Order: sequence, then C-alpha cells, then structure tokens
Amino acid sequence: NAGVTQTPKFQVLKTGQSMTLQCAQDMNHNSMYWYRQDPGMGLRLIYYSASEGTTDKGEVPNGYNVSRLNKREFSLRLESAAPSQTSVYFCASSEKGAANYGYTFGSGTRLTVV
Amino acid sequence: RKEVEQDPGPFNVPEGATVAFNCTYSNSASQSFFWYRQDCRKEPKLLMSVYSSGNEDGRFTAQLNRASQYISLLIRDSKLSDSATYLCVVNKGGSYIPTFGRGTSLIVHP
Repeated sequence: NAGVTQTPKFQVLKTGQSMTLQCAQDMNHNSMYWYRQDPGMGLRLIYYSASEGTTDKGEVPNGYNVSRLNKREFSLRLESAAPSQTSVYFCASSEKGAANYGYTFGSGTRLTVV
Repeated sequence: RKEVEQDPGPFNVPEGATVAFNCTYSNSASQSFFWYRQDCRKEPKLLMSVYSSGNEDGRFTAQLNRASQYISLLIRDSKLSDSATYLCVVNKGGSYIPTFGRGTSLIVHP
C-alpha cells in the first residue's frame, strides 16, 4: 500500500519557469491538501480539496493553482516560479476531511527556485 | 494569539528521561486533536490521536484538557530514536482544514 505518492522528489527551477507537482493517493480518501513548509514557519496550507470536484484556497494560495483530476490525484502548479517559492512541498490526504482519522502525508518535494 | 501554539524547544534530555510537551489552542470549537512526529527532512507521520479520556500507546501518553484548551504529550523512558519534531494538530468540528502547530523539537542524548 503506497499511501500518498509525490513526484518529483527534488526540482530546481529558474525564476519564471513553470512546473506541476503531482500527488496521488491510493487510500480512497476524499480530501487532499497541499502544504509548504519553511524553516520557522511550520506547515502552511496552500490549497485543499474537500472532495472530488472541489478546490479551495488555503492560507498562502498566491502564485499557485491546483487541479483535482479525480479522486486519487491532486496536482499543484506553479505558473511562474519565484525564489520565494523555494520550499518543501507536502501533499496530504484524509478520510472524510478530519474526524478522528488524521492525515497521511507524501514524502515531499524539495523545490529550489534560482 | 495564534490558533495553535507550541514551545519550539529544543528540549534536550538524556536517554531514559520523561519529557512532556504542551500545545494550546484558541478555538473552543475544536474537536479533533492529533500528535504528529516529523524526522529531519521527512514528512510528518501520525503518532497518535488524542481522545477526551486520554490515551496511551506504549511509552507515549496523550491528554486533552478542554477547559484550559490544551493537549499534552508525555514520553516516558526516552530513546535516542525519539529525537524528532513533534507537531500538534487541531481540527475544528466540521472543518476540512487542520491547524498545525509549528512543532516542538526533542533531542535525546546518550
């Protein structure tokens, strides 16, 4: 059981380039999330999808877009990368959004924008 | 006041020690609580849920105090392998959005 799979694991972009981070889960979870984690800032929610077909902004959505392609997949797109987007990105999923089930995270994508 | 606050530490303890972390939350409508563990350069992983009656899993005990709006994590007989950052997570009832604390760093030394 793979859980939550993120690709790529590492990426270096030049300022202004675009890229899509991929996330897939095989646990039949309804809700999926994208976070970024920076030193001293903790985990900050970028976008989330409560269920297939819906997406909503989180705390720091500027500069990002998302697509909930189907129940399994939730992608994060950077249209024009900026050095401020250098971070570690985590995708997560959960059953029924919250309750007492907790959240399962992918192993992360380390993105550097130069 | 931040929604979820944790002492960042680091807590530096010898092997075998007992250590406790607290996490305070501001939203009285919060209903679900969790402790996560995050190793350096790894993803957060669920350590344990926190139930109203308190719960224990081996050397780990989690408790919830709704009146004072905090959750706690107690680690007994600390091991070197317990060195990590411990994140508390709070969910408001009916919300799809968890709120993460910034984490407490634990270093267990020989």
